[in-house]
Amino acid sequence: DADVTQTPRNRITKTGKRIMLECSQTKGHDRMYWYRQDPGLGLRLIYYSFDVKDINKGEISDGYSVSRQAQAKFSLSLESAIPNQTALYFCATSGTALNYGYTFGSGTRLTVV
Amino acid sequence: RKEVEQDPGPFNVPEGATVAFNCTYSNSASQSFFWYRQDCRKEPKLLMSVYSSGNEDGRFTAQLNRASQYISLLIRDSKLSDSATYLCVVNGPGGYQKVTFGTGTKLQVIP
Repeated sequence: DADVTQTPRNRITKTGKRIMLECSQTKGHDRMYWYRQDPGLGLRLIYYSFDVKDINKGEISDGYSVSRQAQAKFSLSLESAIPNQTALYFCATSGTALNYGYTFGSGTRLTVV
Repeated sequence: RKEVEQDPGPFNVPEGATVAFNCTYSNSASQSFFWYRQDCRKEPKLLMSVYSSGNEDGRFTAQLNRASQYISLLIRDSKLSDSATYLCVVNGPGGYQKVTFGTGTKLQVIP
């Protein structure tokens, strides 16, 4: 099994719909993140969580919300999807040391029509 | 100036060639540095951390130049399987929330 699992892998949804992307990890790490990737813009942080009771906004949190259901689970919701939220979304986890890299999930390709 | 800048490429190199990428960063207080590899439509995967003294992993060598604020990645004896986009990642002061990803440099190794 993958260290970080994201579901669904692909999703097409209509404008205005609520959608949830799910992420689970088996690394045993406390830190989890949601990023989106757009062509030419690199990865941008949406939300991050250092433990179950800690949720923080990243640089582009508007229009998104998250839930940390357990140490291993971190879900991202789009409350009312809009076309410019069409992107590749990645969940990641990391250890606590600064020189500890990220482990990413395989991504969710979301298209809002 | 962008916080982290990379030449987007593509770098088209023949098999067996040596190729190097640079990545510049703007915050002199940045604390840790990484190179990730990303295949098309796949997740980024950690290639290597970059240490002040430089570090090597097989055909890959990473260097950090704090004075000029750049990191580099050297790939020797390029393989077709090295074709990918290489992301520079800089972790600034303040911890994780200052992690900045470069937009990547695309490498295409040609037979």
